[in-house]
Amino acid sequence: DIQMTQSPSSLSASVGDRVTITCRASQSISRYLNWYQQKPGKAPTLLIYGASSLQSGVPSRFSGSGSGTDFTLTISSLQPEDFVSYYCQQSYSSPWAFGQGTQVEIK
Amino acid sequence: QVQLQESGPGLVKPSETLSLTCTVSGGSISSSGYYWGWIRQPPGKGLEWIGNIYYTGITYYNPSLESRVTMSVDTSKSQFSLSLSSVTAADTAVYYCARRSTSWFYFDYWGQGALVTVSS
Repeated sequence: DIQMTQSPSSLSASVGDRVTITCRASQSISRYLNWYQQKPGKAPTLLIYGASSLQSGVPSRFSGSGSGTDFTLTISSLQPEDFVSYYCQQSYSSPWAFGQGTQVEIK
Repeated sequence: QVQLQESGPGLVKPSETLSLTCTVSGGSISSSGYYWGWIRQPPGKGLEWIGNIYYTGITYYNPSLESRVTMSVDTSKSQFSLSLSSVTAADTAVYYCARRSTSWFYFDYWGQGALVTVSS
């Protein structure tokens, strides 16, 4: 099974900051990496698919990059509504594994 | 706009079977471009994929749960279902149903989630 390791597990930042979250796969997954945002008490929502494709309706301050085993999610300028949790998910092979999540907190 | 809605008991006794149904609206459950899946999230923890089902009944399960999981689909009702047997407190979680694309295999539409507590 492919294991997904996300880092950091939490981070503190301010409105307007640029932040980067990293996701590493235990083996190559090509570009089969998706990113989700989860607000408290809500279902996750898709942000990025195929490592770098922005889901329709997602603000352009979100971007993704990477291939193989190393991937990043970047938020170019944090907005108040972005202080929530983020998860990566590999979709290269079953079982589809998620990272353990990153909580973005207000500094 | 595709919408998914989970339904089922919120409390299940240990050793019994958890059963949930997801009703799909705003789109066809029989579309060739999608699988339908279940994902769960224990309180305060991360996401765990449980399994996927295609409208033809083809299923894929997480090996860690495969011995206890059964999924089914009823296209006439636009519903798919999850059964998880022999539950323990470790199965307490919010259970989400979701639509999974057959390209890039991402989950693009999710239900609001159903909290299922396993307790006597």
